[in-house]
Amino acid sequence: GAGVSQTPSNKVTEKGKYVELRCDPISGHTALYWYRQSLGQGPEFLIYFQGTGAADDSGLPNDRFFAVRPEGSVSTLKIQRTERGDSAVYLCASSPAGGGHADGYTFGSGTRLTVV
Amino acid sequence: AQSVSQHNHHVILSEAASLELGCNYSYGGTVNLFWYVQYPGQHLQLLLKYFSGDPLVKGIKGFEAEFIKSKFSFNLRKPSVQWSDTAEYFCAVNGYTGRRALTFGSGTRLQVQP
Repeated sequence: GAGVSQTPSNKVTEKGKYVELRCDPISGHTALYWYRQSLGQGPEFLIYFQGTGAADDSGLPNDRFFAVRPEGSVSTLKIQRTERGDSAVYLCASSPAGGGHADGYTFGSGTRLTVV
Repeated sequence: AQSVSQHNHHVILSEAASLELGCNYSYGGTVNLFWYVQYPGQHLQLLLKYFSGDPLVKGIKGFEAEFIKSKFSFNLRKPSVQWSDTAEYFCAVNGYTGRRALTFGSGTRLQVQP
């Protein structure tokens, strides 16, 4: 597609539930990133995929968070046993292969997750 | 570890005023530097970037930024702001650590009054 698409745009879930957030990157972009943005803060890195593999998952806060990208395009961020502190806007970004940040990322509009 | 500080959390200006938003980073090696903007209700967009070469970088919509290595700074400037510049501005850095992650500052909310 023309841009990075994230669904749903909003998600409200109860504490302890499992959620999945989806990201559809720009066609042909092999690099995909997940960030989390809490209120009043800048985006915080979670995980980076190059193709199908997670090249850097050092930003995942704990083992309740997991992400996959099985075919090298769409990615799903999965959060188990959600906690109120997980409430944030989850951002996805993609970029072309190789050059890394040569053109900067293209961000999606994000999924606003609220855990009640 | 790398970090980014944006000292101005909320800036209010009148139209036609000049703008300078501060950004300082902490990283001892070579860096790539970015400014992103988020207009109300929209996604983050790249405003400008610095990789190497001329330390004065020009971006979209009349914005520019100057990389001063000795001060670890990458301040954003615009000579004359418009109401449409009302947005949140984020500075970000990527150090040459082999990691592709960006480290963002906490952002500066700019409000331009007509």
